[in-house]
Amino acid sequence: EMQVLESGGGLVQPGGSLRLSCAASGFTFSTYSMLWVRQVPGKGLEWVSEISADGTRTYYTDSVKGRFSVSRDNSRSTLYLQMHSLRAEDTALYYCTTGYDGSPVDWGQGTLVTVSS
Amino acid sequence: DIVMTQTPLSSPVTLGQPASISCRSSQSLVFSDGNTYLSWLQERPGQPPRLLINKISNRLSGVPDRFSGSGAGTDFTLKISRVEAEDVGVYYCMQGTQFPYTFGQGTKLEIK
Repeated sequence: EMQVLESGGGLVQPGGSLRLSCAASGFTFSTYSMLWVRQVPGKGLEWVSEISADGTRTYYTDSVKGRFSVSRDNSRSTLYLQMHSLRAEDTALYYCTTGYDGSPVDWGQGTLVTVSS
Repeated sequence: DIVMTQTPLSSPVTLGQPASISCRSSQSLVFSDGNTYLSWLQERPGQPPRLLINKISNRLSGVPDRFSGSGAGTDFTLKISRVEAEDVGVYYCMQGTQFPYTFGQGTKLEIK
């Protein structure tokens, strides 16, 4: 069974940094692109970032460009999202998903990031 | 960015009756490879989203056949032939044709 498990969320002050991780299991991680999608509690979904299967291509939504960086370690089947200069509007539940044919396929339970002083 | 607009935003439905959700994109979702990367996702209360359909009408394994997707270009529809209690939740369309990928606002399906 394909599974992804996010971790690393927490409370951080505005301007601070946080690194999210996503551990994958049950599939050949190195053959899938991976996505980060976030959701403000009670609100809609927002695509944040995608990284290609080999890690050479990365994509971001405009609001996080220059502040967030997505990476992966295929030897560890782990996806990362390094977040800097965090703002209140980055507060959300962050989901890791596998990507296939432009779709987020397998979702984790999410990890909550709260940016507040 | 491609804007995805869903209607209605709320849909009260009687059990056993059909339901339909529309999704319109601000530009064509046909990719250069000829595919249209339009997906539908379901978010049940307290659960992460679940991909139901991709590429307009391709239902994923395990998705009941009462769910169907249709459309082309900029206009798409998700239909539920006979609503069941477990279908309650929020439904999103999403385009994966052009970065940044974008979602519709979500349609809340509830039972009358």
